Amino acid sequence: DAEITQSPRHKITETGRQVTLACHQTWNHNNMFWYRQDLGHGLRLIHYSYGVQDTNKGEVSDGYSVSRSNTEDLPLTLESAASSQTSVYFCASSGVRSSYEQYFGPGTRLTVT
Amino acid sequence: ELKVEQNPLFLSMQEGKNYTIYCNYSTTSDRLYWYRQDPGKSLESLFVLLSNGAVKQEGRLMASLDTKARLSTLHITAAVHDLSATYFCAVDGGGTSYGKLTFGQGTILTVHP
Repeated sequence: DAEITQSPRHKITETGRQVTLACHQTWNHNNMFWYRQDLGHGLRLIHYSYGVQDTNKGEVSDGYSVSRSNTEDLPLTLESAASSQTSVYFCASSGVRSSYEQYFGPGTRLTVT
Repeated sequence: ELKVEQNPLFLSMQEGKNYTIYCNYSTTSDRLYWYRQDPGKSLESLFVLLSNGAVKQEGRLMASLDTKARLSTLHITAAVHDLSATYFCAVDGGGTSYGKLTFGQGTILTVHP
């Protein structure tokens, strides 16, 4: 069955370290998205991609980067982790055959100490 | 810029009662999605509404879309405890943002015996 996975599911890191969160989907979706979810802020879009080699900034992109070298993966990198980036991160994907309904991964809980 | 507002943000209901969650959005769109999130879990798709007047029903939940009023409703009939969760609506930006969703703040629903 097609799915979308994220790893790691939990991560504790120190301020200033570089961290990469993985997202892998087997839906063959062109579109992939990264969100963060914090109490009081709902879901906020970090970066998104409409296809290989395409990446776009969302509303809270500062301090984050993504790259899309194939259809299945969109890793999210925190270049120098800050305590303000402690959050739950969700990856999602969508495609035309699903009417652009986004399918979400299980999430990664990141703590920056 | 597309803005999506839900109300109420908090809803405490008694089992057996009916209630409606409202989702208003600021710019033209004909694609709207409803999601459910249980505590500590990911988002699960409930409904995909793709045209004006669309109505979808699943069990005790019914969603509708009025694109002219820029309004969607999620109606809960005879609530049961299992419906306790956070409900999000999300609107497709359309145009060059096709497939990119803007989420409402979420409605936290608690159903009491």
